[in-house]
Amino acid sequence: EDQVTQSPEALRLQEGESSSLNCSYTVSGLRGLFWYRQDPGKGPEFLFTLYSAGEEKEKERLKATLTKKESFLHITAPKPEDSATYLCAAVSGGYNKLIFGAGTRLAVHP
Amino acid sequence: DVKVTQSSRYLVKRTGEKVFLECVQDMDHENMFWYRQDPGLGLRLIYFSYDVKMKEKGDIPEGYSVSREKKERFSLILESASTNQTSMYLCASSPWTSGGTDTQYFGPGTRLTVL
Repeated sequence: EDQVTQSPEALRLQEGESSSLNCSYTVSGLRGLFWYRQDPGKGPEFLFTLYSAGEEKEKERLKATLTKKESFLHITAPKPEDSATYLCAAVSGGYNKLIFGAGTRLAVHP
Repeated sequence: DVKVTQSSRYLVKRTGEKVFLECVQDMDHENMFWYRQDPGLGLRLIYFSYDVKMKEKGDIPEGYSVSREKKERFSLILESASTNQTSMYLCASSPWTSGGTDTQYFGPGTRLTVL
């Protein structure tokens, strides 16, 4: 069965303290791996898509990487405004069907 | 910018009521999706549609139906609402290309409470 698992469930960082979020997947025929950010009470906001192992993408303080079994979202020198839930999702099969992990709740304190 | 709108941000209904949730996208996307989001469970796909009048079941379709009469509009229907359908409902849309890995863009969500 296709599955996406995110760890940790929750992460508390001090401002400026870099860290990584993990997304491990067991999906037959991965076609793409997505990262989204979700603020409380809002819909997910697209961050990155990764298509193949070894690929990396960056946006401001965020960098996403992909291996054959997992993806990492690296957060460098985070700020309080980076506090949110980060979701990863894998595409398997046709029709652009996403399989989501449960998310990591990130809190960055000043 | 892609815009996906949902008819209500908050909704309170009684057990047994018929509930309609509406979603509209303005980017001429072929694909539309309905998810529900519950703490600890992540987003789970209820139904999706890849064309007008076409629909496919997702992972948890029981107790729900959908309608897509126009390309820009996708409705989720709870035929007889139950308390276990209390949840955050999220609509998304995406274009369709041959690769099938197009970005899904989400609406703001509808928080439904069934009493």
